[in-house]
Formats: sequence, structure tokens, C-alpha cells
Amino acid sequence: QKEVEQNSGPLSVPEGAIASLNCTYSDRGSQSFFWYRQYSGKSPELIMFIYSNGDKEDGRFTAQLNKASQYVSLLIRDSQPSDSATYLCAVIRSSASKIIFGSGTRLSIRP
Amino acid sequence: DAGITQSPRHKVTETGTPVTLRCHQTENHRYMYWYRQDPGHGLRLIHYSYGVKDTDKGEVSDGYSVSRSKTEDFLLTLESATSSQTSVYFCAISAGQPQETQYFGPGTRLLVL
Repeated sequence: QKEVEQNSGPLSVPEGAIASLNCTYSDRGSQSFFWYRQYSGKSPELIMFIYSNGDKEDGRFTAQLNKASQYVSLLIRDSQPSDSATYLCAVIRSSASKIIFGSGTRLSIRP
Repeated sequence: DAGITQSPRHKVTETGTPVTLRCHQTENHRYMYWYRQDPGHGLRLIHYSYGVKDTDKGEVSDGYSVSRSKTEDFLLTLESATSSQTSVYFCAISAGQPQETQYFGPGTRLLVL
């Protein structure tokens, strides 16, 4: 079992709809959780991080964390074609303070 | 922009040759990292550094070595390149809050023939 799991996709969402990306993790003591966006041929860029249970909103993005169920989600409201990218989930383990990345979900927004 | 540059950005080399990739940062960050990214595997940590001359192995360190003689530069060396080391290599620094937040350089695309 991978430490951080994501559905590879592609996830196809119509423009203007809500895109929902999910990530599960295996280390119950994990502390901080990140979402990165990576356009094809580019480097990952940080969208947001979350470390408390519940929701955290930043513009059109909302991160949701449920530590009891060991999952973290990213919602993108009013999806735009420019949101088409691969989204990487990352988790800081309870030990060693190292960040572990999932393999990413490819999101495609169709006009 | 975390002020990270990588060189070269693209390289083609032959099996058995040594290759050195350079990561340069301008903001005096203590922690620097080398990752490789391959389809289906995501980002995997090769080596990291927590100060000048202080380095440690990541999960896929075999066949790679690193050096950090100055705060701003972190070098990754493939001692004898193999085709399995064909990949995209990203350098990263950690900064901000939480302190493990990673910011990435533009990447180096390496092809080993």
C-alpha cells in the first residue's frame, strides 16, 4: 500500500462545475497536508496546505481534511480550462518530518 | 518564485557516463532536496541537505550522490548513468509555514541512451 494514494484519472469535469479531487494516506499520525498543481512540462506549484480537521478555503479552492478517515480533498469551484493540470497531494508523516507525495490526479476541464 | 534555478534544463547522455545536475538558490534556505519524477511514481526523494556539507539519503538514492559546499548550491551526480535514470529531476527548498512546505525549481529533463 502506498503511503499517499490518489486516483490517477483523468478526471473530466465540465467548465463551471465543481471538481473534486481526493487523496488518502496511511500514516494516522500525519500532520500537515498539501495540494500542488502541476501543468504539463512544468514544476509543481503549491496551491494550499491544511493541518486541522475541516475545511479551508482560498478563492475557488477548498481543502477538506478528515483525519479520522485519513483523507484529504481538494474542491475547485467554477472550474476553468486553466485548471486542467495534474494535482499532487502531499503529506508530512508523523515521524522524520518528511513530505511524501502522491502520484497525482490528472484533471481535465472540458469547455 | 522561490529563486531556484536548475542547470542544465535538458540533457542527453550515454549509459556509463557521469552526469552532474546543479541547483542554485538565491534566498539562503537551509534545506534543499533532489527529487525525480516518473509516470506512475510521482515525486520520489533522492537526497536532501540540511546545511553545508550536511546531506542524507532519500528513498531512491542508489546510483546518486550529492554535494553541498555552499548554501546556495546543491549538486546531484549520477556516478555512471543508466537508462533507468532517465527522468525529470526537480530541486526543491523548504520554506515558510509549515517549515516542510516545498517549493520547486523548473526541473531538468534527463535522457540516458
